[in-house]
Amino acid sequence: AQSVTQPDIHITVSEGASLELRCNYSYGATPYLFWYVQSPGQGLQLLLKYFSGDTLVQGIKGFEAEFKRSQSSFNLRKPSVHWSDAAEYFCAVGGLTGNQFYFGTGTSLTVIP
Amino acid sequence: NAGVTQTPKFQVLKTGQSMTLQCAQDMNHEYMSWYRQDPGMGLRLIHYSVGAGITDQGEVPNGYNVSRSTTEDFPLRLLSAAPSQTSVYFCASSYSGASTEAFFGQGTRLTVV
Repeated sequence: AQSVTQPDIHITVSEGASLELRCNYSYGATPYLFWYVQSPGQGLQLLLKYFSGDTLVQGIKGFEAEFKRSQSSFNLRKPSVHWSDAAEYFCAVGGLTGNQFYFGTGTSLTVIP
Repeated sequence: NAGVTQTPKFQVLKTGQSMTLQCAQDMNHEYMSWYRQDPGMGLRLIHYSVGAGITDQGEVPNGYNVSRSTTEDFPLRLLSAAPSQTSVYFCASSYSGASTEAFFGQGTRLTVV
């Protein structure tokens, strides 16, 4: 079965610290990969996406993600977290059979001063 | 730019009542979809459409109907509301299915009592 796994339900980091959010997928082929952010009471906003080419992709708000085919992973990183980054983060895959997006269960990020 | 507009933002229904959640997009996107978001379960696809007159079921379609008479609108109908349908509902659209960025509405928080 196709699946997207975000193993960390909740992460707490100090402001200014680095951040890595994990995402693994299980598919036969390389899917299209996305990271979305959801602020409280809001819809989802795209942070970045990977379709092909350079495996390190840059997104908005200083985020980046690296696609590792051998590990079926697409982890999100940020070198220095700001208090405004506190939100829910979702990894998603698409472009496979069924023309559907598949979302992970999300990682909630808390930033402490 | 309006993007994806959902109405209403909040709704309380009694068990057995029916209602329609509205979704409209002004980006001329062919692909539209409905998700429900429940704690710890991420976003689950209810129904989607790849163009006017074409709809298909997602992961959790039971109890919901959709139609797509125009490119712009994709309403979601709850036929007979049940407490299990208490959730936050998101409408999304994308230019070309699940291989391009999805744009999300602000969500509808539905409570069924």
